[in-house]
Amino acid sequence: DAGITQSPRHKVTETGTPVTLRCHQTENHRYMYWYRQDPGHGLRLIHYSYGVKDTDKGEVSDGYSVSRSKTEDFLLTLESATSSQTSVYFCAISEGDRDGYTFGSGTRLTVV
Amino acid sequence: AQKITQTQPGMFVQEKEAVTLDCTYDTSDPSYGLFWYKQPSSGEMIFLIYQGSYDQQNATEGRYSLNFQKARKSANLVISASQLGDSAMYFCAMRSGSARQLTFGSGTQLTVLP
Repeated sequence: DAGITQSPRHKVTETGTPVTLRCHQTENHRYMYWYRQDPGHGLRLIHYSYGVKDTDKGEVSDGYSVSRSKTEDFLLTLESATSSQTSVYFCAISEGDRDGYTFGSGTRLTVV
Repeated sequence: AQKITQTQPGMFVQEKEAVTLDCTYDTSDPSYGLFWYKQPSSGEMIFLIYQGSYDQQNATEGRYSLNFQKARKSANLVISASQLGDSAMYFCAMRSGSARQLTFGSGTQLTVLP
């Protein structure tokens, strides 16, 4: 299996605090993505990266920022967490045109 | 803009029977890819099957097949001989655009009955 890990797996944080989620890959893939999953919405793209220091916004980017200083790491930051950001966050890497995207195990974030 | 529509929030099927999960899509890109993912209750996303927009034949992977009707913009997943372990949420997704991002449908919760 492709090496992709997310940390932490679970986090509870308070409204207004900053939170950083980490996605780490060992496959040297160029493309990395952050999604959030909410009931009734499937997975929605937050931000994506197509190389070191190359990132762009997705469908639901408000309130989130990302950084990619190394090929293997893609960080998602909630600058000031809100209750609406309570969700399950998935990182994904793209392996090739015909191959499925590989997803991390997810991070369950609760903002109280 | 890309859009994926899954109109069946929940489906039931008897064990050993076949089931079709519907997916329609909308895109103006001539080149795109269609994916199906399975998400069991444990939460991981499992890739099932892929269909490219230029593929002439419908994709098959074991008990999974994709009924691709390009003119109707549909990409239905057919699961043959359902098993109890097939009970899960199923997502249809489309890849398009230069950044290869996936757009997901809202999912179909499949329950296989013994």
